[in-house]
Amino acid sequence: DAKTTQPTSMDCAEGRAANLPCNHSTISGNEYVYWYRQIHSQGPQYIIHGLKNNETNEMASLIITEDRKSSTLILPHATLRDTAVYYCIVSYSGGGADGLTFGKGTHLIIQP
Amino acid sequence: DVKVTQSSRYLVKRTGEKVFLECVQDMDHENMFWYRQDPGLGLRLIYFSYDVKMKEKGDIPEGYSVSREKKERFSLILESASTNQTSMYLCASSFTDRNSYEQYFGPGTRLTVT
Repeated sequence: DAKTTQPTSMDCAEGRAANLPCNHSTISGNEYVYWYRQIHSQGPQYIIHGLKNNETNEMASLIITEDRKSSTLILPHATLRDTAVYYCIVSYSGGGADGLTFGKGTHLIIQP
Repeated sequence: DVKVTQSSRYLVKRTGEKVFLECVQDMDHENMFWYRQDPGLGLRLIYFSYDVKMKEKGDIPEGYSVSREKKERFSLILESASTNQTSMYLCASSFTDRNSYEQYFGPGTRLTVT
């Protein structure tokens, strides 16, 4: 699996959009970009994934650059409950059938 | 809602004891996983299983074994616990279907070996 690079921590004001960057410059053509988050004292939670196109669901949007070397997770209207560690992961798996490699992630702190 | 449950949230064991960590999922998932999480190291895969009685080593299997006798249950076994196995242990499950992308995680078991 390709390696990812994320900032260690970020702050965002409540109600604002939180934009979390991720670099994955060695990603290969059939690797997906996944985002998970982990709220304190809980297990990780899936947020969104994508291959080439931008994706949106009820939780977030995922913007992948055309060369696929980086991506941005967008939480459109951050709330205090979005304070968590966010993990960007690249993986060949299209079915969750392989183990995922979690790095250190970005600790996002939503400020009231 | 998918539910992945783990037998204990907190566990304290002594060095040399045999330790069983149990994980149960209720969504008929084929795949189950055990990870450990340590500060500064992220989550690391210990073992996974894609079917009953099947198992595959992950990145750090040394000192651990697993058992999957029933589809819904995946056990992690520490044959002789050591202090360097003090950690947060997380279980996850998922479908094999290639249109299914999500792993569902349990709440974790914080194991302390003294």
